[in-house]
Amino acid sequence: LAKTTQPISMDSYEGQEVNITCSHNNIATNDYITWYQQFPSQGPRFIIQGYKTKVTNEVASLFIPADRKSSTLSLPRVSLSDTAVYYCLVGDMFSGGYNKLIFGAGTRLAVHP
Amino acid sequence: NAGVTQTPKFQVLKTGQSMTLQCAQDMNHEYMSWYRQDPGMGLRLIHYSVGAGITDQGEVPNGYNVSRSTTEDFPLRLLSAAPSQTSVYFCASSYMGQGVNTEAFFGQGTRLTVV
Repeated sequence: LAKTTQPISMDSYEGQEVNITCSHNNIATNDYITWYQQFPSQGPRFIIQGYKTKVTNEVASLFIPADRKSSTLSLPRVSLSDTAVYYCLVGDMFSGGYNKLIFGAGTRLAVHP
Repeated sequence: NAGVTQTPKFQVLKTGQSMTLQCAQDMNHEYMSWYRQDPGMGLRLIHYSVGAGITDQGEVPNGYNVSRSTTEDFPLRLLSAAPSQTSVYFCASSYMGQGVNTEAFFGQGTRLTVV
């Protein structure tokens, strides 16, 4: 499984756009990139998933450059309720091991008024 | 549709006691797993199952047993609790697919304290 590296923490203010970058230099051809969000005292929640270029949903956007060695989760106009830990995971979509999610320490995002 | 349900939400055990953490899902997911999360840390995989009757070890399996007799249930057993097992435990389930979105759904967690 490809190892991921994220910043330990980030600070932002309400209304700003937040970009969290994840490095995954050893990503394999069949690997997909997935981001999860975890609020205090809750289980992680799926945010977004992608393979290359850009993916957007109602919550966030995911930017993946052509070499796929990194990815950026973009949260538009954050609010206090976006304060959480964000995890970047990489897994092989075409093997049973994809389901075996391996979490790193994640990025602790604090949004201030 | 309740998703993933864990019981109990809180539990205090004495060292050496045994207990079972319950996990049930109603989404007919083949894949289920157990994680533990220590304060300020990420989640670590304990055991997982790819279907009824099939289980395997994750990153930190020592001190824990699992079984999967039905698709819906995946209990985690602590045979002899130790203070090092004080943690928050999360159960997760997902569709066991290939080439498709295998979003994992997590329960609300069980906060276990071993004294």
